[in-house]
Amino acid sequence: GESVGLHLPTLSVQEGDNSIINCAYSNSASDYFIWYKQESGKGPQFIIDIRSNMDKRQGQRVTVLLNKTVKHLSLQIAATQPGDSAVYFCAENTGRRALTFGSGTRLQVQP
Amino acid sequence: GAVVSQHPSRVICKSGTSVKIECRSLDFQATTMFWYRQFPKKSLMLMATSNEGSKATYEQGVEKDKFLINHASLTLSTLTVTSAHPEDSSFYICSARVLSGTGGLETQYFGPGTRLLVL
Repeated sequence: GESVGLHLPTLSVQEGDNSIINCAYSNSASDYFIWYKQESGKGPQFIIDIRSNMDKRQGQRVTVLLNKTVKHLSLQIAATQPGDSAVYFCAENTGRRALTFGSGTRLQVQP
Repeated sequence: GAVVSQHPSRVICKSGTSVKIECRSLDFQATTMFWYRQFPKKSLMLMATSNEGSKATYEQGVEKDKFLINHASLTLSTLTVTSAHPEDSSFYICSARVLSGTGGLETQYFGPGTRLLVL
């Protein structure tokens, strides 16, 4: 069935380095994507979103890239900080206005 | 940004009892809220869509008689786990749908979650 998934379950980076978290999706009809950050024991926190008519969007220290040709989404975090350690989920708008979540990538920032 | 609260943050109950979890949108009105369930180290699984003033829409495999959802106002949705059993122990998270800043598309903001432990 249609799904949203992530390539890497765990990503370990050094503090100050840039992080790239990837996500593959299979529903070509999806037109809206969101990245969430979830810290242990907390609910997901909205980071950044992107529509399918865009291929790049930037926020504060974060950039989301969308490649519709290969159905790939990535989240780039610049100058990664210890506070960025969390699980990151990509989510896809299914058209039912309910989100479908990927399996998540755990980001570990080493001091 | 939009703030969503949940209460309680954690609850321990005996098997066979019922537990009610509240989800509130604090600074906006939400005609639609969603309830998710999350197991340890797993992703979020949508349980149901809660619509203000109408019946909830449940995902396949979710028992509507076991997970009762009520969305009586534009700022409150409740999830009641009836006759709870240990396998119902999980992290329950609600979200509220809001208009995002990206061309008016609707995104979701999440509550902090409720940890349920059924003994």
